[in-house]
Amino acid sequence: EVQLVETGGGLIQPGGSLRLSCAASGFNVSSNYMTWVRQAPGKGLEWVSVIYRGGYTHYADSVKGRFTISRDNSKNTLYLQMNSLRGEDTAVYYCARDPPGGGDAFDLWGQGTMVTVSS
Amino acid sequence: QSVLTQPPSVSAAPGQKVTISCSGSSSNIGNKYVSWYQHLPGTAPKLLIYENNKRPSGIPDRFSGSKSGTSATLGITGLQTGDEADYYCGTWDNSLSAYVFGTGTKVTVL
Repeated sequence: EVQLVETGGGLIQPGGSLRLSCAASGFNVSSNYMTWVRQAPGKGLEWVSVIYRGGYTHYADSVKGRFTISRDNSKNTLYLQMNSLRGEDTAVYYCARDPPGGGDAFDLWGQGTMVTVSS
Repeated sequence: QSVLTQPPSVSAAPGQKVTISCSGSSSNIGNKYVSWYQHLPGTAPKLLIYENNKRPSGIPDRFSGSKSGTSATLGITGLQTGDEADYYCGTWDNSLSAYVFGTGTKVTVL
């Protein structure tokens, strides 16, 4: 079955760190652009980061310098390392697949993992 | 604040049609493909439209997309109660070097 499963969310204090994982099955993360999207409570969707097939990355200004996207091809897993967390990072985090040649469209999403930043 | 503007809400009776606009600029919609997503709270977003007007396998033809200049539109015909959800447009922004989502539109079936 083709799917994405996120794990790693939880309650973390401001200034803390957390690593989210996104395990893929049924396809190779290395063959696709992979992205993270979040939704804060009561807010809309916000793009966070992308990693391209060649390993090049982009980040939203709101997380640049604090978050790092990466992948482990041997584990077919995408990661988001989140450091210096702030209250405004509280959100459901989704990983998504962006197939090359698909016009920057996210055709497969995980179910999301909740991150709560609070003391 | 998003660079793509959508109406906060639209509504119509079952069986009717709604359209959702997405207004951007030359750095995003004007030069890039637009996608549309349906999002029900507590679930994963679903891709409805990609490359402005193409539907992924399994998406009914009640959903349609179009683009003109720096704006895009999602149309939903034959409205059903199951269509009640939030809808987002999205595209890459060359100036921001970032993907941007629209502000989101809540569809209500009266």
